[in-house]
Amino acid sequence: DQQVKQNSPSLSVQEGRISILNCDYTNSMFDYFLWYKKYPAEGPTFLISISSIKDKNEDGRFTVFLNKSAKHLSLHIVPSQPGDSAVYFCAAHAGDSNYQLIWGAGTKLIIKP
Amino acid sequence: NAGVMQNPRHLVRRRGQEARLRCSPMKGHSHVYWYRQLPEEGLKFMVYLQKENIIDESGMPKERFSAEFPKEGPSILRIQQVVRGDSAAYFCASSPKSGGRSSPLHFGNGTRLTVT
Repeated sequence: DQQVKQNSPSLSVQEGRISILNCDYTNSMFDYFLWYKKYPAEGPTFLISISSIKDKNEDGRFTVFLNKSAKHLSLHIVPSQPGDSAVYFCAAHAGDSNYQLIWGAGTKLIIKP
Repeated sequence: NAGVMQNPRHLVRRRGQEARLRCSPMKGHSHVYWYRQLPEEGLKFMVYLQKENIIDESGMPKERFSAEFPKEGPSILRIQQVVRGDSAAYFCASSPKSGGRSSPLHFGNGTRLTVT
């Protein structure tokens, strides 16, 4: 049973436009969410996080939005750059642990020149 | 300033053999975590270790899998009598202290295990 779902395996976006990656979750106990970025043959790197007490968190070109009632979060990248081409993972956990994360299957973002 | 180092990068084993995956945490980090990623899936937590202690092994299969983090040397994830279903990417992460969300995980580049 997938508790964290990223329904789009891949997404193609023109350079300079906005990329929107989506993530849905089923467990209402999740209260902290993270996005990781992964290049081929490398490990995931932390990108941005959001606590359930917020509905938005922004860091430069990256913004994460959380809709608790819909159990949905999204990552916006604007403007998209070629270096953003990677696999993006959504992850969630309940409690204060930093390692017991439930991961989505990832969305491969391709930025077209 | 070296990051989390994992070796080997690729490992091929025949069914029934043993696989040993090594992880050296970032300098100054004393907490190590192992994750497994099966094809087309997200990462799944396996085990959390500190030096000479297993803190949480709730994600480890009960048989054939073991992990250690000795006082000296890297953390080792050992898989005995490998089967085809063990083929996956195994990632190690480290952090300077345990638990809290303010302590982000730093991942290595992974070991891709292929069982033939």
